Amino acid sequence: AQSVTQPDIHITVSEGASLELRCNYSYGATPYLFWYVQSPGQGLQLLLKYFSGDTLVQGIKGFEAEFKRSQSSFNLRKPSVHWSDAAEYFCAARIYQAGTALIFGKGTTLSVSS
Amino acid sequence: EPEVTQTPSHQVTQMGQEVILRCVPISNHLYFYWYRQILGQKVEFLVSFYNNEISEKSEIFDDQFSVERPDGSNFTLKIRSTKLEDSAMYFCATIRPGTAVYEQYFGPGTRLTVT
Repeated sequence: AQSVTQPDIHITVSEGASLELRCNYSYGATPYLFWYVQSPGQGLQLLLKYFSGDTLVQGIKGFEAEFKRSQSSFNLRKPSVHWSDAAEYFCAARIYQAGTALIFGKGTTLSVSS
Repeated sequence: EPEVTQTPSHQVTQMGQEVILRCVPISNHLYFYWYRQILGQKVEFLVSFYNNEISEKSEIFDDQFSVERPDGSNFTLKIRSTKLEDSAMYFCATIRPGTAVYEQYFGPGTRLTVT
């Protein structure tokens, strides 16, 4: 079955340290891939997306993600985390020509320590 | 930048009651979606709506659910007879026309509590 997996439920990172949030997908074809962030009381905000082409994509707020077909992964990274990055992060995917609905992972909660 | 808005932010209802959740999409957006997130679980797709009709729906979207766009602006999700398991955060999302990868813009959500 098609699925998106985020192996880490909760991650704590020190402010200024680097961050990597993991996302794996299970599909026959390469899906469109997205990362969303949700701060408390807010909606889901799109951080970045992968469609095709360059496998390293840049997003907002200093985030980037790398698509690795061989590992079926789309991990989110940030070189230096700020306290305001504390939020919940969702990886999502959709399959071209299989509808436009997104399939989400369970999310990773990021805490930032000072 | 225009945003998707949802009302109410929190709705408490008794089991068996009907609820209507409202979404105001961004004005020129054409595709509309409802998703839900039960506490501690994944965000799940419910239904998509395009050109005044349902485009896709998931197994969750059974006869208890309906959607409509009654006045050309608001996009509503109705649950006819709520059950305890309908308690969740409900998100509305819309797609801007012309985007190659169908970027979905989400509202802040409505937290539905069924008692």
